[in-house]
Amino acid sequence: QSVLTQPPSVSAAPGQKVTISCSGSSSNIGNNYVCWYQQLPGTAPKLLIYENNKRPSGIPDRFSGSKSGTSATLGITGLQTGDEADYYCGTWDSSLRGNVFGTGTKVTVL
Amino acid sequence: QVQLQESGPGLVKPSETLSLTCAVSGFSISSGYYWGWIRQPPGKGLEWIGSIYHSGSTSYNPSLKSRLTISVDTSKNQFSLKLNSVTAADTAVYYCARHIQTGLQLQWEDYFDYWGQGTLVTVSS
Repeated sequence: QSVLTQPPSVSAAPGQKVTISCSGSSSNIGNNYVCWYQQLPGTAPKLLIYENNKRPSGIPDRFSGSKSGTSATLGITGLQTGDEADYYCGTWDSSLRGNVFGTGTKVTVL
Repeated sequence: QVQLQESGPGLVKPSETLSLTCAVSGFSISSGYYWGWIRQPPGKGLEWIGSIYHSGSTSYNPSLKSRLTISVDTSKNQFSLKLNSVTAADTAVYYCARHIQTGLQLQWEDYFDYWGQGTLVTVSS
């Protein structure tokens, strides 16, 4: 049972925008940095966002991250069919003293 | 470019020990960073298993700690996972990854930036 809660799925048409929420608590998101991963079907997760809103080299600026209080949000603009994947948030949990992942959200391009 | 590759048996019998190795190329483990293991049961989400620093210091998921050993071999530039007394619930794709874990401005930064391709381990008799 993950301590970070995400919606199971979100969907939108090509070119549109989607947002994915990640809800936690003061022991994780509230006092630590958040990251986001993209997992394309049958592949390993790939880092999309770190330090709440920074993108690693090679990640397009269509992907953005933000954090407010005990929640974080991943935004994807200009949605493409290649964005169909599972997305996970992640952070450190000070109470569990370990890394935690969100429950995961499947993005579908209609 | 940092690359990681998992290796080990794809089938383990219940009650036995699951053993995997992660070979790292393009970066020397001795240079620093934590190195971690993550697993994903079929059709389910990600679970952090544990991580090891290049010096050998370890950090384990409390739910697995009693069955888990992670070690590092800097001479071979690889690190390993041993999970004993396995059951069907341990069936998963196991990933190794470079683990960034630092304190920044009173907050912890914790993420995995380079991942192996993953290896499926099935626990079955």
